[in-house]
Amino acid sequence: EPEVTQTPSHQVTQMGQEVILRCVPISNHLYFYWYRQILGQKVEFLVSFYNNEISEKSEIFDDQFSVERPDGSNFTLKIRSTKLEDSAMYFCASRSGTGAGETQYFGPGTRLLVL
Amino acid sequence: AQSVTQLDSQVPVFEEAPVELRCNYSSSVSVYLFWYVQYPNQGLQLLLKYLSGSTLVKGINGFEAEFNKSQTSFHLRKPSVHISDTAEYFCAVSKIQGAQKLVFGQGTRLTINP
Repeated sequence: EPEVTQTPSHQVTQMGQEVILRCVPISNHLYFYWYRQILGQKVEFLVSFYNNEISEKSEIFDDQFSVERPDGSNFTLKIRSTKLEDSAMYFCASRSGTGAGETQYFGPGTRLLVL
Repeated sequence: AQSVTQLDSQVPVFEEAPVELRCNYSSSVSVYLFWYVQYPNQGLQLLLKYLSGSTLVKGINGFEAEFNKSQTSFHLRKPSVHISDTAEYFCAVSKIQGAQKLVFGQGTRLTINP
């Protein structure tokens, strides 16, 4: 069964450094998402991406964040200058985009720790 | 805006006992409703969803949920739980239109005791 993959599984970085989280969505899916879960808190929506552009973003997704689909298979989340409060589990998700109420398929997540 | 409240942060249950995990939502527009499960060290997996039609929906692993529009609830139930059901369960909603981002509840940790 096709699945969403994410790399790395864990990332430790120093405050102020740039990080890139990578995701490979399910092939032929058209909608892509990033969510994050700070330890002990809710899973929060960050951004959705469709047709090579952001379709919706949350208040969390400020200028420090960017997303890209560089090569037709990968979907990346870049944090330009990490802060302590960016420490969280980041989940990528995708859905096919062929109808309403479709299932979003989630990757296993990348645990980011900012020191 | 949409919001989801899961009333219980932790639910301990004995094996083979029934369980109900509660979920209430708030939205000014029509929404779809979902339950996801997260097993330890894994991503989120869809258990079931309500889009329209019959208010009782059945999902994987013997779970079912009932949509109650008047009470804005979508409680998850299983008549007899197994040790392997130990996990975190998330209720979520999405708007029918647009990007259909998911808005999640806080999660309920279900612990099954032998």
